[in-house]
Amino acid sequence: QKEVEQDPGPLSVPEGAIVSLNCTYSNSAFQYFMWYRQYSRKGPELLMYTYSSGNKEDGRFTAQVDKSSKYISLFIRDSQPSDSATYLCAMSYTNAGKSTFGDGTTLTVKP
Amino acid sequence: ETGVTQSPTHLIKTRGQQVTLRCSSQSGHNTVSWYQQALGQGPQFIFQYYREEENGRGNFPPRFSGLQFPNYSSELNVNALELDDSALYLCASSLAGGPGYEQYFGPGTRLTVT
Repeated sequence: QKEVEQDPGPLSVPEGAIVSLNCTYSNSAFQYFMWYRQYSRKGPELLMYTYSSGNKEDGRFTAQVDKSSKYISLFIRDSQPSDSATYLCAMSYTNAGKSTFGDGTTLTVKP
Repeated sequence: ETGVTQSPTHLIKTRGQQVTLRCSSQSGHNTVSWYQQALGQGPQFIFQYYREEENGRGNFPPRFSGLQFPNYSSELNVNALELDDSALYLCASSLAGGPGYEQYFGPGTRLTVT
């Protein structure tokens, strides 16, 4: 079993919908929780991060971490066609450079 | 500020050959990590370099090796290529002692082994 499991998708939603992306993990030592966005044939770009438990909001994006359940989520409000990409969750217990990634969820937002 | 760059963009090699991939880290960053991303999967950590020394390694065999140079640029070498080595190879740079969540990825090198 993988250390990080991500809901595989793919997801297809209409423009303006609320999107929920989720990952579970097994290693309780993880402290840093990141979400990356990856467009086709590009490297991942950091979207959101959370240290330890709690919520963090940035514009239309909200990241949640529940360490007791070993569950993290990314919510996207008022989704836009430009949000269409693959979303990767990642976790680390030391520094981001040694992250463990989920396999990604591909999101398509239809106009 | 200069971002992370990688070369070459694409590469086709034959099974059994050797390959060298290159990465220039973002300006001001002194740590480089390498990841392998197979099609449809997330990136897998190969190893990290800091101060020209390997600073942690994932579950990859010794035929995957690396170097970091005094200017913090880095190379990934893969010997005795296998078909399963076909993947996107990503380099990411960060600053040791900086925010633990922060690393910046390059665009990757797509390696095809035939």
